[in-house]
Amino acid sequence: DIQMTQSPSSVSASVGDRVTITCRASQGISSWLAWYQQKPGKAPKILIYDASRLQSGVPSRFSGSGSGTDFTLTISSLQPEDFATYYCQQANTFPLTFGGGTKVEIK
Amino acid sequence: EVQLVESGGALVQPGGSLRLSCAASGFTFSNYWMHWVRQAPGKGLVWVSRVDGDGTNTNYADSVKGRFTISRDNAKNTLYLQLNSLRAEDTAVYYCARALQPVTSSSGKNWFDPWGQGTLVTVSS
Repeated sequence: DIQMTQSPSSVSASVGDRVTITCRASQGISSWLAWYQQKPGKAPKILIYDASRLQSGVPSRFSGSGSGTDFTLTISSLQPEDFATYYCQQANTFPLTFGGGTKVEIK
Repeated sequence: EVQLVESGGALVQPGGSLRLSCAASGFTFSNYWMHWVRQAPGKGLVWVSRVDGDGTNTNYADSVKGRFTISRDNAKNTLYLQLNSLRAEDTAVYYCARALQPVTSSSGKNWFDPWGQGTLVTVSS
């Protein structure tokens, strides 16, 4: 199975900050990576797919980059509604696997 | 509006069985792969299973292979997950999720959007 490792596991940031989350795959996955946002008690929501494609309706302050084994999710200017947990997910090979999550907290 | 509504979650004893359902509306159900993803309390997301558009092909996580069965009824626009030989570690909220792109697309079938609200399965004596 492909292991997905996210870092950091949590980050404290202020409104307006630039936040970067990293996801590393245990083997190359080309650009088969997505990012999801999950708020407490809610289902996850897709933000980015194919490593860098922004899902329709997602604010442009979210961006994704990377290919192969190393990927990043960047929030260019953190907004109050962005405090949540973020997960990466690979779709290169079954079983599909998620990273452990990164919780973005208010500083 | 695309909508997915799960049901069937319950408290069940170890070794027991349960069938989860996911009622879909607002899109042509048979045109999309469907997935189940679970989340144990306070933990991360774990993909469980997927089924293609006509129900012919399926995949499972190793942790559930041989115990869980995914299926779909396209006439009823409903996805199912049969859970057998349940263990304490199967306790989780189970989400159904539609593939982002339809079966005719060359990609996007293993991204999840949208998701249902989830149904809680608790395995305990």
